[in-house]
Amino acid sequence: GQNIDQPTEMTATEGAIVQINCTYQTSGFNGLFWYQQHAGEAPTFLSYNVLDGLEEKGRFSSFLSRSKGYSYLLLKELQMKDSASYLCAVIDSNYQLIWGAGTKLIIKP
Amino acid sequence: IAGITQAPTSQILAAGRRMTLRCTQDMRHNAMYWYRQDLGLGLRLIHYSNTAGTTGKGEVPDGYSVSRANTDDFPLTLASAVPSQTSVYFCASSDSGSGSTDTQYFGPGTRLTVL
Repeated sequence: GQNIDQPTEMTATEGAIVQINCTYQTSGFNGLFWYQQHAGEAPTFLSYNVLDGLEEKGRFSSFLSRSKGYSYLLLKELQMKDSASYLCAVIDSNYQLIWGAGTKLIIKP
Repeated sequence: IAGITQAPTSQILAAGRRMTLRCTQDMRHNAMYWYRQDLGLGLRLIHYSNTAGTTGKGEVPDGYSVSRANTDDFPLTLASAVPSQTSVYFCASSDSGSGSTDTQYFGPGTRLTVL
């Protein structure tokens, strides 16, 4: 079966750095998305990785290792508004999008 | 402002009733999707449409139907609601559908409770 694993919940301090991991086992791979979802709101696009390596976008970076079936989202200089769920999703060989259950990130002052 | 709208925002429905959730996008995207999101589970695809006039079944299609008469609208119908259909429903769209890696953009969601 296809599986995406993320930690259920993480806690971090304002101003710090946090890394949210995502491991996947899918039938093929055509890319990986990270989305942010604030409570009661829609998921919004953060990043897309298809090649190995690190993609940086301001305070957020996303890393991919296809050989290890592994990605992480790195959030720097955490702000209270970063409190949200972070969803990892993989495009499989049939171009279906497989979603993880999401990681709820709690930021404390 | 371009985007996706959904209606209603929330609804409480008696079991056995028929309900249509509406979704409209103005981005001229070819593909549209319906997901449900339940606590502790990832988004699950109910139905999708790669282009106007075509639809397909997702992971959890039973009890739901869709139509795609034009590019902009993609309504989801529950013919006879059951309590297990209590969930938050998200509509999404992308420029291309099957066979693409295009980003999906989401509507604000409909919170449905079936009693």
